[in-house]
Amino acid sequence: AQKITQTQPGMFVQEKEAVTLDCTYDTSDPSYGLFWYKQPSSGEMIFLIYQGSYDQQNATEGRYSLNFQKARKSANLVISASQLGDSAMYFCAMREGRRSARQLTFGSGTQLTVLP
Amino acid sequence: GAVVSQHPSWVICKSGTSVKIECRSLDFQATTMFWYRQFPKQSLMLMATSNEGSKATYEQGVEKDKFLINHASLTLSTLTVTSAHPEDSSFYICSARLATTDTQYFGPGTRLTVL
Repeated sequence: AQKITQTQPGMFVQEKEAVTLDCTYDTSDPSYGLFWYKQPSSGEMIFLIYQGSYDQQNATEGRYSLNFQKARKSANLVISASQLGDSAMYFCAMREGRRSARQLTFGSGTQLTVLP
Repeated sequence: GAVVSQHPSWVICKSGTSVKIECRSLDFQATTMFWYRQFPKQSLMLMATSNEGSKATYEQGVEKDKFLINHASLTLSTLTVTSAHPEDSSFYICSARLATTDTQYFGPGTRLTVL
């Protein structure tokens, strides 16, 4: 079974609107962390936001927020007020507590295009 | 903070030669670094976990004799692609783990083309 599932290969959003990128995960470990990274066409992976499995509040970082629904095992990324520079590939990733090397498992990614 | 550099950003080499890629954490120490490979339009595939002062741990299917990893200091890990072949052409990207936040920060990647 896929550990991280991103069901939207591509998404379009109008500039200044909000967009939600979906991510569901699968783990039996009670301790885990969820990450979102942005990869522009230049290739670098930019860390956006982190949510721990024990965190009570949904994580927020500026225009990014994470809609964490633990029972549904989903960790959707919400980008508010989209900007043209938000056009990029977005990856959801998970770190499971039992993996002592702290490795990340990545989803297949969602290509977001912001339209002017 | 948490900046990771990677050098070179791109390299073209002839088949049969070896290529070394450096990954440095510029403003933090990283006992653990990771090496990934990414094909076009695909996700990142973990190749190996690099631990400072010890041998790297390779993922299944990754040839350790072909992809040599050295993590000689807390700020530097190197990946050497030995006897490169055209099928090794790919985007290689490293990350360094910031222990205080347990977050991986990525380098800008290296695009390798083997002719």
